[in-house]
Amino acid sequence: DQQVKQNSPSLSVQEGRISILNCDYTNSMFDYFLWYKKYPAEGPTFLISISSIKDKNEDGRFTVFLNKSAKHLSLHIVPSQPGDSAVYFCAASAQNYGQNFVFGPGTRLSVLP
Amino acid sequence: DTGVSQDPRHKITKRGQNVTFRCDPISEHNRLYWYRQTLGQGPEFLTYFQNEAQLEKSRLLSDRFSAERPKGSFSTLEIQRTEQGDSAMYLCASSLVSGGVGGKLFFGSGTQLSVL
Repeated sequence: DQQVKQNSPSLSVQEGRISILNCDYTNSMFDYFLWYKKYPAEGPTFLISISSIKDKNEDGRFTVFLNKSAKHLSLHIVPSQPGDSAVYFCAASAQNYGQNFVFGPGTRLSVLP
Repeated sequence: DTGVSQDPRHKITKRGQNVTFRCDPISEHNRLYWYRQTLGQGPEFLTYFQNEAQLEKSRLLSDRFSAERPKGSFSTLEIQRTEQGDSAMYLCASSLVSGGVGGKLFFGSGTQLSVL
C-alpha cells in the first residue's frame, strides 16, 4: 500500500506560469514533509520542508501548503523556469515513531520556454 | 561540506555474484540512510543508522542484504548472490538529527546496479 501518493505522473507548464504539484498521504502519524527535486543520473536534492504545526512554508519561488484534515500537501513554483524541469518527490516522516522517510512515486515537471 | 559521496557510480555484475557499495556521509551528520530506487518509482527505504547502530530495517531488506557503519562514519551495503530483481539505483543519504527531531536528507548521486 502506498502511504504517499503523487497521482500526476507528469505536468507541463509554460515558463513564467505557476506549477502546482500535489501529494496525498494516508498515514495520520506523518508530521514532517519534504519536497525533493531530481535530475537524471543525480541524487534527489532537497527543496523545502514543512512541519505539521504549520500550514504554509515559503522559500523564494517555492511554497509548500499543508492541509492536515485532507492529508494533502502541494508545492507551488512561481514563476516556473526551464531549469525547474525535473522529477519532484514528496516525502513524509512520522518523527515520533520512526525516522525513515517515505517517498511518493514522483511527478515529472516540464517547463516549456 | 563535501556532500554525500557514493562509490562506485555504476556496477555491472552477473547474477549470483556479490557486490558491495560504499557511502561517505557529510562528516558531521549522525544519521545515514540507504534507499533503493527503480525506474518510475520514488526512493524506497532500506535501512538507517544512528551513528554506528542500525536502528531500522525495511522488510525489503532480505537476508542477502547487509549494511554496516563501523565507527559511525562511512557505510557499506553488500548484496550477496545478486538477482536480476536487484537491479536499481542505490541511494545513500545522511542527516543531522538533534533532540529526536529529524533533519532533511542529503543524498549522494547513487550507485546504479545492473545485474545481468
